[in-house]
Amino acid sequence: NAGVMQNPRHLVRRRGQEARLRCSPMKGHSHVYWYRQLPEEGLKFMVYLQKENIIDESGMPKERFSAEFPKEGPSILRIQQVVRGDSAAYFCASSPWRQGLNEQYFGPGTRLTVT
Amino acid sequence: DQQVKQNSPSLSVQEGRISILNCDYTNSMFDYFLWYKKYPAEGPTFLISISSIKDKNEDGRFTVFLNKSAKHLSLHIVPSQPGDSAVYFCAASEGGGGQGGSEKLVFGKGTKLTVNP
Repeated sequence: NAGVMQNPRHLVRRRGQEARLRCSPMKGHSHVYWYRQLPEEGLKFMVYLQKENIIDESGMPKERFSAEFPKEGPSILRIQQVVRGDSAAYFCASSPWRQGLNEQYFGPGTRLTVT
Repeated sequence: DQQVKQNSPSLSVQEGRISILNCDYTNSMFDYFLWYKKYPAEGPTFLISISSIKDKNEDGRFTVFLNKSAKHLSLHIVPSQPGDSAVYFCAASEGGGGQGGSEKLVFGKGTKLTVNP
């Protein structure tokens, strides 16, 4: 059973370019979460999605960042016009749909470097 | 405002001894707590969790204790092994049963555990 998959693992972008990060949840999981980790910090929640729905985007910066989880295909985190401060590790997690409290399973992350 | 705090950035223990990692939280709405282990350049790996209706949960060498009145939880690893050397993150959420998924996790900054042979 494959885990959460993210690609690319490393991404280098120049300031002003766009970054697209992809996440495929674990098989059978219908909930996807994106987190960002800055150096020496914990992970910070960005957005929570189900298929074709954004459930909670309270952690997303107001500008330049967007996320989607289409009916078919992976979830995408998109950062437009990247700046140096966007350099971080971006982690995707997924959880199953079932009643009760559910843990989240994380992918290996995408390390974004903005030059 | 940091809602989940891990006040010890690092901890060093001898192989075979007990490792105790601590975590404090301020949000009384948190009712689900998790511990993750993270190696460099990898994603966090889920270790163990506990809901607020319990005060202890055990899984093999890992035990999590929750003290709701003190808003404190701890992870005990017994016996510690060199392979346990990693950064450990405490995380909390405000439930998630309603949507059937999981609410967002709030993480501490982590504690780097080193287990010496």
